Formats: sequence, C-alpha cells, structure tokens
Amino acid sequence: GDSVTQMEGPVTLSEEAFLTINCTYTATGYPSLFWYVQYPGEGLQLLLKATKADDKGSNKGFEATYRKETTSFHLEKGSVQVSDSAVYFCALFSGGYNKLIFGAGTRLAVHP
Amino acid sequence: DAGVIQSPRHEVTEMGQEVTLRCKPISGHDYLFWYRQTMMRGLELLIYFNNNVPIDDSGMPEDRFSAKMPNASFSTLKIQPSEPRDSAVYFCASSLAGLAGASVEQYFGPGTRLTVT
Repeated sequence: GDSVTQMEGPVTLSEEAFLTINCTYTATGYPSLFWYVQYPGEGLQLLLKATKADDKGSNKGFEATYRKETTSFHLEKGSVQVSDSAVYFCALFSGGYNKLIFGAGTRLAVHP
Repeated sequence: DAGVIQSPRHEVTEMGQEVTLRCKPISGHDYLFWYRQTMMRGLELLIYFNNNVPIDDSGMPEDRFSAKMPNASFSTLKIQPSEPRDSAVYFCASSLAGLAGASVEQYFGPGTRLTVT
C-alpha cells in the first residue's frame, strides 16, 4: 500500500545550520506531497506542498522538491532558527486510499 | 476565525469509563477528520465525515470507538469502555476541499491528550 518513510530523529542543530530532513514515498500514480509541522502542544499545520513532479513547495524559508525519479520530497532550510524546533511530518494524498498518509515524524531541536 | 476547537484539552480517566471528546470545525468546512497520535503508531486517521455523513471509518480500532456529527459545527468521538491502550493525543481536523482534490489542506485542532489509568 501507499506509505511515507522519514528519517529518524531527533535532529539536533545549532542556530543558522543547514537542515535536511529526508522523505521518500511509495504510491501508485502521482500523489500530492506535503510537509506539516507540529509545534509543542499544538496541532499540525501545513508548511508546504507540491502537487506534481518537479514542483517546488516553499514557505518560511523551507523548501521541498517533488522528485518522481527518486520518489522523494526532502525538506530543506538554509539557516534554521531556535523557533523552528518542532516535529515535521511528510505526507502524501493517496488517491487509492482516498486519504492523507503521514510519515512517523522527525523531531528537530535547534540550539542557540 | 478561531480555528478548529477541541475539548477537553486534557482528560484523565479510569479504565472502563466512558470518554467523550468534542470538536468544532472551522465554519464552512465540509470535511471533518479524527486522528489519533501515539509514539508507537504515529498519526492514524480514525474516521472522516463529509457534510456530516461518515465516509470512511476503517481506521476506527474497534467497536468501543464511535463518532458522530449531528450538525456541521459539532462532532464527538466516544470511547466506551476506555482502556489504558487508548491513551493518546486525539486530533480533529477540518477542510474545505476534503480528500477529493490534490490541493487539499487540513486544519488541525490543538488535540485532546487522553490518559486512561
């Protein structure tokens, strides 16, 4: 079935470091891909999305490119801040199952 | 807009008791979702509604769980009887486009942290 695999956390970085969180997926067809972020004590909120191959989603300095050839949607940010500390979820919209399928989440901790 | 509202934010109950979680979706949204989040299983979709009608409840773990949506502005998730393994954070989310389109965005509530002792 459709699935999403994320790199295990926690990821610990110093402020202004470069961030990459890997995400790969398995799906039939061409799913839409998403990154959601969960700040402590809150629900998930959409960070960015891409709906077709080679699309780049971006928001708040974060970027991810839909790579069909490698079935990946890695999240990147050039310079992280302490306020970026959160759990990041990669997700796909599965047409076959007609629902969003989430990865396990990756916790990011940024230190001053 | 106030966003998706959930109550209570925290619930502690004893095994065997009935638990009711509540959700008020964003006004005008026609899809509503219930999720459960645990360390072991991650984020799981339990059930979703479209225009107050349950569409897919395949994620509901067992008959002890039930969900209703009596009107467009209110939904409940009930567990009866509750068990320690039900301890989790339960999220409600709502959306406009729902699951039918590629550009879907779900808006999540802050969650209810349930502890069953």
